[in-house]
Amino acid sequence: AQSVTQLDSHVSVSEGTPVLLRCNYSSSYSPSLFWYVQHPNKGLQLLLKYTSAATLVKGINGFEAEFKKSETSFHLTKPSAHMSDAAEYFCVVSDRLSGSARQLTFGSGTQLTVLP
Amino acid sequence: ETGVTQTPRHLVMGMTNKKSLKCEQHLGHNAMYWYKQSAKKPLELMFVYNFKEQTENNSVPSRFSPECPNSSHLFLHLHTLQPEDSALYLCASTRTSGGAGTDTQYFGPGTRLTVL
Repeated sequence: AQSVTQLDSHVSVSEGTPVLLRCNYSSSYSPSLFWYVQHPNKGLQLLLKYTSAATLVKGINGFEAEFKKSETSFHLTKPSAHMSDAAEYFCVVSDRLSGSARQLTFGSGTQLTVLP
Repeated sequence: ETGVTQTPRHLVMGMTNKKSLKCEQHLGHNAMYWYKQSAKKPLELMFVYNFKEQTENNSVPSRFSPECPNSSHLFLHLHTLQPEDSALYLCASTRTSGGAGTDTQYFGPGTRLTVL
């Protein structure tokens, strides 16, 4: 069975300072990992995904995440926060369902607040 | 826009009503998913369809009835719901592959359902 733990339910940073959102996972085999963002009253938007190629993954809007197998972590970072980054962020691990469809297991989310 | 649309965006219904949620994807994907997002809880997978065939029913009560007439359309028929069914219902789609590659899911904006 796979699982995802987002270590912080809320993170607050000042505009222009670095962002770190932490995620640990467990999976029975080599996982696919994603970060999604959800702005208020919107659906989920893919930020980035890890596909077993490069361990440092670059996404949209300046975000990146590093896959560390030894630590079973996939933390999300951004060098400088912007007000528009305020949203909820979900770390997600993918596993295979019956047939070829995949199941995503979502973390409980981290609410990012950006202070002016 | 992700190429996945959902209607209606908001729905208020009584416990004796019957209503349907609609999802349409314009991405040429073959797998479609229904998720439930409740406050303070991780996203819950409800149903999965792959090439119009239901491949997963995640122990969802029978008052939720999915329908997938083709790979582009997915419905969720609702009847005799309970107040605890109030949530954001998200639809997603993906193109599945037979290998071990990732299958990124693209989400619609969701339907905010309130059951009175």
